[in-house]
Amino acid sequence: DIQMTQSPSSLSASLGDRLTITCQASQAINNFLNWYQQKPGKAPKLLIYETSKLETGVPSRFSGGGSGTDYTFTISSLQPEDIATYYCQQYEDLPLTFGGGTKVEI
Amino acid sequence: QVQLQESGPGLVKPSETLSLTCIISGGSISNNYWTWIRQPPGRGLEWIGHIHYSGSTKYNPSLKSRVTISIHTSENWFSLKLISVTAADTALYYCARGRDYTTDYPVDWGQGTLVTVSS
Repeated sequence: DIQMTQSPSSLSASLGDRLTITCQASQAINNFLNWYQQKPGKAPKLLIYETSKLETGVPSRFSGGGSGTDYTFTISSLQPEDIATYYCQQYEDLPLTFGGGTKVEI
Repeated sequence: QVQLQESGPGLVKPSETLSLTCIISGGSISNNYWTWIRQPPGRGLEWIGHIHYSGSTKYNPSLKSRVTISIHTSENWFSLKLISVTAADTALYYCARGRDYTTDYPVDWGQGTLVTVSS
């Protein structure tokens, strides 16, 4: 299985802050990397696919990048509705695997 | 917009079989991948497996000996069976639709259904 190591596991930020989450794969995943947002009591929502492509309707303050084994997810200006847990997920190989999650708090 | 709804017993006894269904509305079950994912309370996400509308399946090796995913194309639903459950199988179970005919990562998710394994 491809292991996904996500950091930090939690972070506290202020509204308007720029924040970055990192995800490291145990092997190269050829940019087959997604980011999901999960709010309490809700199902995950796909925000970014294939490393850097924004899902339809997702605000442009969200962005992603990276290559090889190292990937990043950035919120350029934190908004109240961004309080959630964020997960990376690789789809280079089965089983699909997720990072451990990053809980974003204010 | 396609919608997915999980249903099934919320309580299953240890050693018994967990059975869930996912009903699809607002879209066809054809031409896509259909996935089950679970999330133990307060923890992360685990991919259980998927089924292609053609009927081919792939399972997480960690669960492969205990899991079966089936598809019912004429009735627009698919199902999950997990045998010999233990407390470790207690989780929120989600069904999800893949991106398209060739791309399996989940895009549209159901709301999830909590299954507790307890006597």
